[in-house]
Amino acid sequence: QVQLVQSGAEVKKPGASVKVSCKASGYSFTSYCMHWVRQAPGQGLEWMAIINPSGGSTSYAQKFQGRVTVTWDTSTSTVYMDLSSLRSDDTAVYFCARDRFRFWSGYFDSWGQGTLVTVSS
Amino acid sequence: QSALTQPPSASGSPGQSVTISCTGTSSDIGYYNYVSWYQQHPGKAPKVMIYEVNKRPSGVPDRFSGSKSGNTASLTVSGLQAEDEADYYCSSFAGRNTGVFGGGTKLTVL
Repeated sequence: QVQLVQSGAEVKKPGASVKVSCKASGYSFTSYCMHWVRQAPGQGLEWMAIINPSGGSTSYAQKFQGRVTVTWDTSTSTVYMDLSSLRSDDTAVYFCARDRFRFWSGYFDSWGQGTLVTVSS
Repeated sequence: QSALTQPPSASGSPGQSVTISCTGTSSDIGYYNYVSWYQQHPGKAPKVMIYEVNKRPSGVPDRFSGSKSGNTASLTVSGLQAEDEADYYCSSFAGRNTGVFGGGTKLTVL
């Protein structure tokens, strides 16, 4: 079955960068887009980015342009999300989520378990 | 890319129906039919309940239905059950391969 397994919790200082991984299994990795979504404590969901592993095209929410980079490694079926210049309001659980289609459809049918990133001095 | 607007809370008694609205703009909900709804229980990852405005994934009860009119999408939960108590989020494609979520609605089953 489809599984998305994310890397463990991180604690970072303001101004640092964090890289979160999402390892996919149980399906053809390059056949579906992957998204990154975050959720601050007690807050709602926030869409951040999408990558199409077939070709590597990416798109980012305007809010994160210049600070977020999503990459992929087809040899390990892993997607990475790198967020730089961290601030305290970046403290959140970061999820990867597979899109059921090869494009932005909004049908996120599988989710990772989430990775808590805490930004604190 | 402003967040879609949802009411912060909604409630209903078991067996009743409740409708949650999600208001966007002519650049997202009003233009595209890629509106989805997610259910999230505390401490869990979200689960898709509706996609492409009104389609239900396999396994989602037909008590859940979606619709759209103009810039506003709606999720209706009929025959409310205790396990429906959760946070609900709408999302929409917003062009240029980007998307946006709503602020979320806490559904309480009285």
